[in-house]
Amino acid sequence: DAGVTQSPTHLIKTRGQQVTLRCSPISGHKSVSWYQQVLGQGPQFIFQYYEKEERGRGNFPDRFSARQFPNYSSELNVNALLLGDSALYLCASSLKWGDSEQYFGPGTRLTVT
Amino acid sequence: GENVEQHPSTLSVQEGDSAVIKCTYSDSASNYFPWYKQELGKRPQLIIDIRSNVGEKKDQRIAVTLNKTAKHFSLHITETQPEDSAVYFCAGAMGGGSQGNLIFGKGTKLSVKP
Repeated sequence: DAGVTQSPTHLIKTRGQQVTLRCSPISGHKSVSWYQQVLGQGPQFIFQYYEKEERGRGNFPDRFSARQFPNYSSELNVNALLLGDSALYLCASSLKWGDSEQYFGPGTRLTVT
Repeated sequence: GENVEQHPSTLSVQEGDSAVIKCTYSDSASNYFPWYKQELGKRPQLIIDIRSNVGEKKDQRIAVTLNKTAKHFSLHITETQPEDSAVYFCAGAMGGGSQGNLIFGKGTKLSVKP
């Protein structure tokens, strides 16, 4: 069985640009969560989606948005990139909303210059 | 909201010794506490978890204990091996409307010396 997949693996953008990151959950999992991990820190919760609806949002500005598709895959969008947005963006998949066992993808390393 | 604190930030042990990492949480409604292992450049991997209706859980050389009254939980690794070297993160699941979303500690870098 395939695990959680994310694309792209690495991305370099300049300040002010926009970026879209993609995630495919484990087959059968209906919930996707997004986390930001800055170097040397633990992951920080950004969004959780279940059945295409937002079920939770962390303390991130409105420049961050996400959506979930009918096949349960998800996209994270970040507008007007800042240098401080440079981080590893992790997607985690879980069976259902409220089921807290989350399995992480390999992440997308975003560098903003 | 939930806050999770983790200690120590670094831990160095000799191969074969035990390692203990401790975390405290603030939200008494939290009911799920996983531990993740993250090797350099890799994804966090779920290694063990515990729910609030259980006081202890073991899986081979690793165990987790939970004290709900004191709001702390710990990871115990026995007979450490060099391949246990990694950063370990504890987390707590928020209650209420954000049920299931994880709040992570800042991590413990474990080094096991052969």
